[in-house]
Amino acid sequence: SQTIHQWPATLVQPVGSPLSLECTVEGTSNPNLYWYRQAAGRGLQLLFYSVGIGQISSEVPQNLSASRPQDRQFILSSKKLLLSDSGFYLCAWGRGGKNIQYFGAGTRLSVL
Amino acid sequence: SQQGEEDPQALSIQEGENATMNCSYKTSINNLQWYRQNSGRGLVHLILIRSNEREKHSGRLRVTLDTSKKSSSLLITASRAADTASYFCATDNGDYGQNFVFGPGTRLSVLP
Repeated sequence: SQTIHQWPATLVQPVGSPLSLECTVEGTSNPNLYWYRQAAGRGLQLLFYSVGIGQISSEVPQNLSASRPQDRQFILSSKKLLLSDSGFYLCAWGRGGKNIQYFGAGTRLSVL
Repeated sequence: SQQGEEDPQALSIQEGENATMNCSYKTSINNLQWYRQNSGRGLVHLILIRSNEREKHSGRLRVTLDTSKKSSSLLITASRAADTASYFCATDNGDYGQNFVFGPGTRLSVLP
């Protein structure tokens, strides 16, 4: 069966520090991968999605970047965090045409 | 603006009662999905309804879709305290694309 791992669960970082959040998927190949951000009590904002290795699409301009170095690995990064980067970050995978997404447990990022 | 907008934003009911949440969207879709999120966790897919379907059931869940009104409803019957969560609708962009748009969600509290 397929599983998705996302870590860390919680992260506290100072303003200006770098960020690296990792997401990996097991039990499937060539998944579509997604990074979302969720503000407190709000819906999900799609940040990046990827349909294959090295293929990244950005939905909104921002201080973050994403990379997909391997088929089942998706990384969210920042060189210098801003206060506004605080939030709950969710990784998800899905299959084109199936239209169901499977989410990781999320990372709560606090930038102080 | 959001493709999907849930209504109400928050709902509080007694255990055993039915809970109804609504979702409105603006553009044409291929399908609409409902997801559930327990506090501080990832989203879990509940049910998908295609644009040519009007009603779908899964256990205590009943979803309706009215494409003429661009709206959907999620009914949870005989609610339980464990149903307490946020519920989100998600719509695709109508061209079998890879991405969804999530609404801001309805926070459901089921009181024992």
